[in-house]
Amino acid sequence: NAGVTQTPKFRILKIGQSMTLQCTQDMNHNYMYWYRQDPGMGLKLIYYSVGAGITDKGEVPNGYNVSRSTTEDFPLRLELAAPSQTSVYFCASSPQTGMNTEAFFGQGTRLTVV
Amino acid sequence: QQQVKQSPQSLIVQKGGISIINCAYENTAFDYFPWYQQFPGKGPALLIAIRPDVSEKKEGRFTISFNKSAKQFSLHIMDSQPGDSATYFCAAIKYTNDMRFGAGTRLTVKP
Repeated sequence: NAGVTQTPKFRILKIGQSMTLQCTQDMNHNYMYWYRQDPGMGLKLIYYSVGAGITDKGEVPNGYNVSRSTTEDFPLRLELAAPSQTSVYFCASSPQTGMNTEAFFGQGTRLTVV
Repeated sequence: QQQVKQSPQSLIVQKGGISIINCAYENTAFDYFPWYQQFPGKGPALLIAIRPDVSEKKEGRFTISFNKSAKQFSLHIMDSQPGDSATYFCAAIKYTNDMRFGAGTRLTVKP
């Protein structure tokens, strides 16, 4: 059972470089999320999607872009990496909304911008 | 502006003791309140959750208490064990599936 798979697990970027964090799920979930986790700050919602072709901003979307062309994939794009984007990024998916929602998380991508 | 406030940031409890973590939310549009447990190097995983029309939910050693009028909820871990040492996040979900997390509590249970 793969669940939610994130790649890469670790990455070091130079300031100004761009990269895409990949996320794929094999549970046929409509809802997908990207969070960043900073020490003492918990999980901050970057973007979320309620289905293919539909995305929306979360709490901290600046500096990021997403797309959702298929149910399975929800990549996160960093266009001009900045040191403030050094963080651990988690992708998650859930089958439904509201009550009784369980989100399934990937293992995370640790990104360092130098 | 953090929509879900969690305390304490860290907690040390002796084995067999009770661990209590508190959360407060601001937006009354939230309608589901889960707790997630995260071990080092792993993603968070659902531990227990409660609906706002219920004041308490218990699963084994884990209990959520919910106070709708105060917009507060808490996680109680009875008979805490070293294996419970992890970071715990409270969360709140709107019907739109916008899920917001608290800042997390790092729990250490000493043997």
